[in-house]
Amino acid sequence: DAKTTQPNSMESNEEEPVHLPCNHSTISGTDYIHWYRQLPSQGPEYVIHGLTSNVNNRMASLAIAEDRKSSTLILHRATLRDAAVYYCILLHHNNNDMRFGAGTRLTVKP
Amino acid sequence: NAGVTQTPKFQVLKTGQSMTLQCAQDMNHEYMSWYRQDPGMGLRLIHYSVGAGITDQGEVPNGYNVSRSTTEDFPLRLLSAAPSQTSVYFCASSSGTSGVHYEQYFGPGTRLTVT
Repeated sequence: DAKTTQPNSMESNEEEPVHLPCNHSTISGTDYIHWYRQLPSQGPEYVIHGLTSNVNNRMASLAIAEDRKSSTLILHRATLRDAAVYYCILLHHNNNDMRFGAGTRLTVKP
Repeated sequence: NAGVTQTPKFQVLKTGQSMTLQCAQDMNHEYMSWYRQDPGMGLRLIHYSVGAGITDQGEVPNGYNVSRSTTEDFPLRLLSAAPSQTSVYFCASSSGTSGVHYEQYFGPGTRLTVT
């Protein structure tokens, strides 16, 4: 299975953009890139997902490298509520077994 | 909509006891799943279901049983609790039989301690 690599932790200042990286050098052509986040003491929350093209929604943007070996989750203006663990997950289009790694713990400073 | 609900919120079991964690969703989602999260770790998939009457194993199925008799409910049964099953358990649901490829909605979790 393709693996992802994320930094253990990152810090950001409130109201500044945040770029959360994810490396997935062994990604296959039919692996989707999913992002979830988990706020303290809560269940995970869907953020965004994509395959090849960049994606935008009300919560974030997903920038996917042209060779698909890396991607970046972009929070355009971090708020204190965005402090969470962010998970980057690869999922084959035929697979239902979504596996969460350790993720990146984002701290947002006021 | 209540979304995904889980009961109980907390549970303490003795080794060898059995119990059922309840999960229900009111969004008419076909896909439902159970995860466990150990302290400081990411989530691991236990079992999932793509519709009523259909279940399958995830990454860590041993020691757990599931059934899916209705679209709304997906209970997780611990057969004989062990301390290694101390964890937080999350249930999730999503639309479509390829549900994991859509937005998954997670419940608030059940914190289980086995002594």
